[in-house]
Amino acid sequence: SQQGEEDPQALSIQEGENATMNCSYKTSINNLQWYRQNSGRGLVHLILIRSNEREKHSGRLRVTLDTSKKSSSLLITASRAADTASYFCATGSQTSGSRLTFGEGTQLTVNP
Amino acid sequence: GAVVSQHPSRVICKSGTSVKIECRSLDFQATTMFWYRQFPKQSLMLMATSNEGSKATYEQGVEKDKFLINHASLTLSTLTVTSAHPEDSSFYICSAIYTWGAREQFFGPGTRLTVL
Repeated sequence: SQQGEEDPQALSIQEGENATMNCSYKTSINNLQWYRQNSGRGLVHLILIRSNEREKHSGRLRVTLDTSKKSSSLLITASRAADTASYFCATGSQTSGSRLTFGEGTQLTVNP
Repeated sequence: GAVVSQHPSRVICKSGTSVKIECRSLDFQATTMFWYRQFPKQSLMLMATSNEGSKATYEQGVEKDKFLINHASLTLSTLTVTSAHPEDSSFYICSAIYTWGAREQFFGPGTRLTVL
């Protein structure tokens, strides 16, 4: 079962704007990951944040993690039309080994 | 590195036939592969965990006899949808990891199955 909930479900912005997506989860985790999926394709790993980390950056991506609120956010700065895709958070726990539980996803559309 | 392929990318079959989907890790050995199912505009649902040389572990609610998984080698896992029906139509995605405990999964491009 999916434990992650993401909001918004869909986000439409103009090129150059920032996009923020949120993810909430229910159980204890040891890491949270964000993946990107272009329409009809597989997933691409974007960034991983460990449960003892609060913020992580990678290029135009910034991820925050608040374990007290069981939530994470993904910020994409200076968005481009090529960023149009679905974005999923996925959580891993101590007991799940390498198994991941995926959130519902946010469909991001960046208009040129 | 860490490339995973799936074959076929798209398959259309008649109801009642069986369909085999292959998942290969091209440039690394994958002790574990995962099979997911994804319906349109929905998230990925884990179906099973496939370990090389042993039986797959299925998630609750997934029929073992319906979705046969064979992890024949460290670079190949296959998913066979037996006696497929229209409700089995979906996007099937596999992923692979280097070793159990590894956090990042490497995903294949997916297989679109349409059962008529």
